[in-house]
Amino acid sequence: QSVLTQPASVSGSPGQSITISCTGSSRDVGGYNYVSWYQQHPGKAPKLMIYDVNNRPSGVSNRFSGSKSGNTASLTISGLQPEDEADYYCISYTSSISWVFGGGTMLTVL
Amino acid sequence: QVTLKESGPALVQATQTLTLTCTFSGFSLSTRGMRVTWIRQPPGKALEWLARIDWDDDKFYSTSLKTRLTISKDTSKNQVVLKMTNMDPVDTATYYCGRTYSSTSGDGMDVWGQGTTVTVSS
Repeated sequence: QSVLTQPASVSGSPGQSITISCTGSSRDVGGYNYVSWYQQHPGKAPKLMIYDVNNRPSGVSNRFSGSKSGNTASLTISGLQPEDEADYYCISYTSSISWVFGGGTMLTVL
Repeated sequence: QVTLKESGPALVQATQTLTLTCTFSGFSLSTRGMRVTWIRQPPGKALEWLARIDWDDDKFYSTSLKTRLTISKDTSKNQVVLKMTNMDPVDTATYYCGRTYSSTSGDGMDVWGQGTTVTVSS
């Protein structure tokens, strides 16, 4: 069981916006600004989409944005596109001087 | 161009020690802010963070697996090695290594290897 809780699945239609939550505690998400988000297509390696809560790496679409409020981090994808359909994982640094992933969220673009 | 590639045995026996090597190019692990992390993913399951080694040889381990893991680096060979002892069938997974460079991706892993699949036989 993951320390960080994500919804198992979310869905949206092309052009819509969706938000994926990642809920932890003050010992991880709430205590540090070291939350990243990864996109993973089937059979592929993860791809960094957001780092340090709300920063986009070079080359990642500005349709992807991150935020945090208290112990919950969020990934928002606006203007959904078919290629956004994938699994999404959050990860946070923890007070145990370690990192932990969320359980992952399957995004379906209807 | 930054690349990483994982290598190691595809099949190990239970109780054996697994040794995985991450060979990289396009960066130096002696550069300040550079880090290499290992994660894994059992078939059909979520990602799991395992260990990280930094440019200054700081090492970090999963709290649940720390007694079984050892991470090390050979800067001259551009390699990071992960050893996991006492392998069990539940350790069957695809193992990935990833690079973090704090100057460009903060705490995130911005480049990944293709992964290597390890099956543990009982």
